[in-house]
Amino acid sequence: DQQVKQNSPSLSVQEGRISILNCDYTNSMFDYFLWYKKYPAEGPTFLISISSIKDKNEDGRFTVFLNKSAKHLSLHIVPSQPGDSAVYFCAASLVPDKLIFGTGTRLQVFP
Amino acid sequence: SQTIHQWPATLVQPVGSPLSLECTVEGTSNPNLYWYRQAAGRGLQLLFYSVGIGQISSEVPQNLSASRPQDRQFILSSKKLLLSDSGFYLCAWSVGLAAYNEQFFGPGTRLTVL
Repeated sequence: DQQVKQNSPSLSVQEGRISILNCDYTNSMFDYFLWYKKYPAEGPTFLISISSIKDKNEDGRFTVFLNKSAKHLSLHIVPSQPGDSAVYFCAASLVPDKLIFGTGTRLQVFP
Repeated sequence: SQTIHQWPATLVQPVGSPLSLECTVEGTSNPNLYWYRQAAGRGLQLLFYSVGIGQISSEVPQNLSASRPQDRQFILSSKKLLLSDSGFYLCAWSVGLAAYNEQFFGPGTRLTVL
């Protein structure tokens, strides 16, 4: 039972344009959401997070939007850069000690 | 500064053989420690987590086990590997709760069971 879903396994975006990565979840009790970025042969690194009491959090080129009624969150990257090419995982927390990760979306930013 | 070590980086093991993956953290005390597995086409699946020495929580019933013999050492083991155990194993740590504090991941171990 996949509680956190990333339905798009891959996304290709031109440099300078906006990248939008989507994530859906099933459990309305999740109270914290996070995005991690992973390069090949490396461990994931934290990118940005949002509490369920907010609907938007912004950090530089990265903005996460949360739509609780739709159980949906998205990560916007503007402008996209070639160095953003990586796999992006969304994660959700029900119990603060644990994160439930999605399946990941591979973003490729081309010149 | 804090660092996390995992070894080996890659491992090829026959079905039925034992497994021991080690993870150590430097530069911090009393971290929360985690073992994840990323199988092909799957997300990061939490296998075990530990909030202290000797305290292990198992998330997924399987033929794997974990131990935390020291504050900054986390070991993933199996007595008999299955083909389905192949995957990319990641150790991670956080100071405090994973939801509110950044998790720092190690470089991972790619395990292939033949």
